[in-house]
Amino acid sequence: QVHLQESGPGLVKPSQTLSLTCTVSRGSISRGSYSWGWIRQPAGEGLEWIGRIYTSGSTDYNPSLKSRVTISIDTSKNQFSLKLSSVTAADTAVYYCARGVTGLLDGMDVWGQGTTVTVSS
Amino acid sequence: DIQMTQSPSSLSASVGDRVTITCRASQSISSYLNWYQQKPGKAPKLLIYAASSLQSGVPSRFSGGGSGTDFTLTISSLQPDDFATYYCQLISDTPTFGGGTKVEIK
Repeated sequence: QVHLQESGPGLVKPSQTLSLTCTVSRGSISRGSYSWGWIRQPAGEGLEWIGRIYTSGSTDYNPSLKSRVTISIDTSKNQFSLKLSSVTAADTAVYYCARGVTGLLDGMDVWGQGTTVTVSS
Repeated sequence: DIQMTQSPSSLSASVGDRVTITCRASQSISSYLNWYQQKPGKAPKLLIYAASSLQSGVPSRFSGGGSGTDFTLTISSLQPDDFATYYCQLISDTPTFGGGTKVEIK
């Protein structure tokens, strides 16, 4: 079963760029009909979809974050990444990466365990 | 933008109860809806896709229904492992989650 693992700094200063990487193991990121996405969840709150990337390189982003978000993919490393610029305290959350399956209406069937990112000086 | 409204936001139920959670879209979305379960400190888990299709490995006590604007997630007989928060998700170019329904022990 494919496994996803998020990595990156747990603390980011306000106005800086948050950078996270999701490493895909036990499977190839470039095989199959999948999307690779990021979702976040502030403490005690609901889920917010951030965006996704396909192996073709095409991306979709949440309109509310679009001006600050970049998702990229590195098939040679079996990784995809999230960059969120100009962060504020409101970006403090648990960040998850997940695989979307075209055959499941892009249902996200495999998730990373999540990584907590705190924005603070 | 299409808005997704879940109700109730929380409910209390007993083991063995039949539980129904509703998700309403602000405009018709056909069957472009998925359901997830999330337990505290854990990543969400896909339960239902395309409104009514059971994801592999999910117990048959979970079922999804509806199309257009009104959707339901039903647990036919609530089990101890089912106490969690449930989210619907619109499937579109910009997927949107509902606000969540927390199912608590009565």
